[in-house]
Amino acid sequence: KQEVTQIPAALSVPEGENLVLNCSFTDSAIYNLQWFRQDPGKGLTSLLLIQSSQREQTSGRLNASLDKSSGRSTLYIAASQPGDSATYLCAVRPNFGNEKLTFGTGTRLTIIP
Amino acid sequence: GAVVSQHPSRVICKSGTSVKIECRSLDFQATTMFWYRQFPKKSLMLMATSNEGSKATYEQGVEKDKFLINHASLTLSTLTVTSAHPEDSSFYICSARGGTLEAFFGQGTRLTVV
Repeated sequence: KQEVTQIPAALSVPEGENLVLNCSFTDSAIYNLQWFRQDPGKGLTSLLLIQSSQREQTSGRLNASLDKSSGRSTLYIAASQPGDSATYLCAVRPNFGNEKLTFGTGTRLTIIP
Repeated sequence: GAVVSQHPSRVICKSGTSVKIECRSLDFQATTMFWYRQFPKKSLMLMATSNEGSKATYEQGVEKDKFLINHASLTLSTLTVTSAHPEDSSFYICSARGGTLEAFFGQGTRLTVV
């Protein structure tokens, strides 16, 4: 059974710093991995999706990497801003024919102005 | 990205009544929709997967008769919590997938049963 873990559970950093969020998964046989952002009491906003054949994806100040063989992904946020404060979730999809996502436990990020 | 609209965003109901939550894909056809439940400070737990025109597939431990799911069209799925009890109070989120690889999520519904 796939298990997805995110460490740390919570992180506080001063504004302007670069930071890295971690996601690990136990079964490396994945189809893709997706990073989401969730604001309090809200739904999920998709940030980046990495296919299993890809090593990284970039969108603005966000960069996500994937090392499938070691079961790890990282989300790098450059020049953090208070508006980046939210909970970040990673999720893996097992294979093309299976659309179920397994979510990580999330990292609650607080950017201190 | 594609837009998924979930309604209502908040609902309070009395114990024993039923509540319907709607999930709509606004600008794409969603062949598959997913319903999740999220407990406070916890991750999302998949409840069921629904394909348009078919019966939903429920995850182990989820009561089919308690959580009725209907996916009657390519743009609408509904979750009905029947005979709601306080322990059903939670945050419910739907997601929809069309022909792309990404899953798009609704805004969530905060259900409080009093």
